Amino acid sequence: EAQVTQNPRYLITVTGKKLTVTCSQNMNHEYMSWYRQDPGLGLRQIYYSMNVEVTDKGDVPEGYKVSRKEKRNFPLILESPSPNQTSLYFCASRTRPDKTDTQYFGPGTRLTVL
Amino acid sequence: GNSVTQMEGPVTLSEEAFLTINCTYTATGYPSLFWYVQYPGEGLQLLLKATKADDKGSNKGFEATYRKETTSFHLEKGSVQVSDSAVYFCALSYTGNQFYFGTGTSLTVIP
Repeated sequence: EAQVTQNPRYLITVTGKKLTVTCSQNMNHEYMSWYRQDPGLGLRQIYYSMNVEVTDKGDVPEGYKVSRKEKRNFPLILESPSPNQTSLYFCASRTRPDKTDTQYFGPGTRLTVL
Repeated sequence: GNSVTQMEGPVTLSEEAFLTINCTYTATGYPSLFWYVQYPGEGLQLLLKATKADDKGSNKGFEATYRKETTSFHLEKGSVQVSDSAVYFCALSYTGNQFYFGTGTSLTVIP
């Protein structure tokens, strides 16, 4: 089954404790992206990657890091989480960086930073 | 810059009512426009899309027309069902890499 998986689905942590949210897709997609969803703000793009070793900032990259060492994986790293990073995070992938192509979203990771 | 503005929600309709969710956009070129739907506890799913002016996207009874003159992409459905209850997001992609989403409109359909 074609899918985007994220782990963990739920995470409660404390300020300053480094964490990684993993994202993996099994569709051989070149393009992957991370979003955060906040009430009243919709989805905002954090980072995206057009292929292995190619990443770029979205609208709200501050406080986040990403890496793309393999095509299937695109982890989101919070080196020193803060309470304002409490949010619902979605990973997405697409066949290629083409504006008409369909994005496939993962199920989401709900992060709470105390 | 690029941005998307959606009508405020939540929207509550009776089954078989007509649905319109307004979406307008600001873009520096000719973006593709999308409607995504998010069911409770799930990620977003593409509902429909339009890639150029006057294109009409349609799926599952939903329609939206890309209106360049009014910079709009309003979502419509002639007869909603309880199963259409979800949050709907309008979005645009200009470069193909960056996506801009609206704030979402929550729809509840009551029997």
